[in-house]
Amino acid sequence: GENVEQHPSTLSVQEGDSAVIKCTYSDSASNYFPWYKQELGKRPQLIIDIRSNVGEKKDQRIAVTLNKTAKHFSLHITETQPEDSAVYFCAASSSDDKIIFGKGTRLHILP
Amino acid sequence: DTAVSQTPKYLVTQMGNDKSIKCEQNLGHDTMYWYKQDSKKFLKIMFSYNNKELIINETVPNRFSPKSPDKAHLNLHINSLELGDSAVYFCASSPPGLANTGELFFGEGSRLTVL
Repeated sequence: GENVEQHPSTLSVQEGDSAVIKCTYSDSASNYFPWYKQELGKRPQLIIDIRSNVGEKKDQRIAVTLNKTAKHFSLHITETQPEDSAVYFCAASSSDDKIIFGKGTRLHILP
Repeated sequence: DTAVSQTPKYLVTQMGNDKSIKCEQNLGHDTMYWYKQDSKKFLKIMFSYNNKELIINETVPNRFSPKSPDKAHLNLHINSLELGDSAVYFCASSPPGLANTGELFFGEGSRLTVL
């Protein structure tokens, strides 16, 4: 089955700097890679996703890149703001509708 | 209008008891899930139902029994609760063909504490 590894587990960046979170997956059949943000005490919510036929996708300050050959994908947040502080999860899904999550990255934005 | 709602939000109970968590979605989705989030925030899939039929059953103890009376509801019953069952349980739903359409819609979570 699919296995998703996520690094780092904790990340602290100065407000205004960029943050990068990296994930790898094991199942070459996986074709959909969403990222979820979970604020303290709240539910996870989708912030961006990418499909296997695309190498990069951007939405304002967040971008995701995918390297299918290496089986890794990354989340980039630029110009970080205090409200970006949260736990971020990468995930991978293949055609069997099973979404497997990474273990999460706790992002702290320092003032 | 809450898209995916679960009750109760908080549940505190003694070891050995039996408890249920209910989930309902009004999005018209075919597929519903239960995820367990432990104290380290790891989100692990437990079950998935598609149109009332079980399609994913991860290695979850038999003490956990999901029930889907219709495609808008997926309830979770837990027998003989153990300390290790303490976690936040998230219900979620998705439209058909997750890999094609994308998003998992999560409920607010039910925090279960076993004493």
